[in-house]
Amino acid sequence: RKEVEQDPGPFNVPEGATVAFNCTYSNSASQSFFWYRQDCRKEPKLLMSVYSSGNEDGRFTAQLNRASQYISLLIRDSKLSDSATYLCVVNSGGSNYKLTFGKGTLLTVNP
Amino acid sequence: GAGVSQSPSNKVTEKGKDVELRCDPISGHTALYWYRQSLGQGLEFLIYFQGNSAPDKSGLPSDRFSAERTGGSVSTLTIQRTQQEDSAVYLCASRSGGAAGELFFGEGSRLTVL
Repeated sequence: RKEVEQDPGPFNVPEGATVAFNCTYSNSASQSFFWYRQDCRKEPKLLMSVYSSGNEDGRFTAQLNRASQYISLLIRDSKLSDSATYLCVVNSGGSNYKLTFGKGTLLTVNP
Repeated sequence: GAGVSQSPSNKVTEKGKDVELRCDPISGHTALYWYRQSLGQGLEFLIYFQGNSAPDKSGLPSDRFSAERTGGSVSTLTIQRTQQEDSAVYLCASRSGGAAGELFFGEGSRLTVL
């Protein structure tokens, strides 16, 4: 099992749609979880951290299920500007600083 | 500048040559990471440095790859005897604080090995 696995995508959705990304991780000792966003030919940037109780930032909601070692990202009312690759990121265990990225899921929001 | 700076932004080299890629992290950031990203692929972890601790080199793909971080600041990634499969974008990132801190990436160094 890979350390971090994501939906392979790509996702093509119309504006206003709700889209969900899923991610699983293999190391049960992992403590830090993130979603990053990468625009075409640009560097990744932090979208949001994922907290145990789940967290929301505007149209974005992140969830963590430790028992299933599963992370999700929900985007509501998607905008054209949401088109990007979404990367699931997990640390390697405890306070370990090594961060492993999933391969990413490409989202295209269409007018 | 205020962000992570990488150089060169583009490097074309011939197979068998050595290359050096430089990363200047955000001032005060104690952790520095190198990743590489091949065309259409995800980020592959190479190495990270944290303060004065021994670096985690577990992601370096072969002994042709090495990295240093001098004085806890600037880092250099060296690839010896480059191969065509080394062609990729090499991304450097830094962050402060603990394991939950945000990674700030540079714009990357695009390496093409002919």
